[in-house]
Amino acid sequence: DAGVTQSPTHLIKTRGQQVTLRCSPKSGHDTVSWYQQALGQGPQFIFQYYEEEERQRGNFPDRFSGHQFPNYSSELNVNALLLGDSALYLCASSLWGAGEQFFGPGTRLTVL
Amino acid sequence: AQRVTQPEKLLSVFKGAPVELKCNYSYSGSPELFWYVQYSRQRLQLLLRHISRESIKGFTADLNKGETSFHLKKPFAQEEDSAMYYCALMKETSGSRLTFGEGTQLTVNP
Repeated sequence: DAGVTQSPTHLIKTRGQQVTLRCSPKSGHDTVSWYQQALGQGPQFIFQYYEEEERQRGNFPDRFSGHQFPNYSSELNVNALLLGDSALYLCASSLWGAGEQFFGPGTRLTVL
Repeated sequence: AQRVTQPEKLLSVFKGAPVELKCNYSYSGSPELFWYVQYSRQRLQLLLRHISRESIKGFTADLNKGETSFHLKKPFAQEEDSAMYYCALMKETSGSRLTFGEGTQLTVNP
């Protein structure tokens, strides 16, 4: 089991563009959470998906949206990119309701 | 809203010295507390959680509800302990959503 995988590893976009990040959870996990980690900061919760529905959402604008597929994989979409969206985006998977989360390596997004 | 505070961004100790990484939280309910670690060029991984009461790699952490703290301790630091450490909180009703502190970069010098 490769654990949680994310693609792409790095991404460079310009302001106003849209981006899609992808995540495959650890085998057997059904819940995917997304976090944004700005430089020098701890990860901040964006949202969480379970049974293909957004179950919880952090303090992020509607420009951030997501999706979960029947195979439990997930996408994070960000529209109208701002310079401040530059960060490491982490995906974490778990079993629904379980405390321990397993993190992917992250996608480094740079907005120019 | 819940909050996790790690007052030290940087902590440097010598090999064999005791180490304590501080974590304080604010939340009125009964949270679950975690320590996550990120070694150089590796992904974030769970080090320990308070409900398991385990000692992992010689580290321990005790939840002090009176002081709302969850400090991470190790009696004898090793060079391989050098890493970024994050304290995290999960509310009892949050469905595994984590609130992280800003992290402490631990450096263990030879």
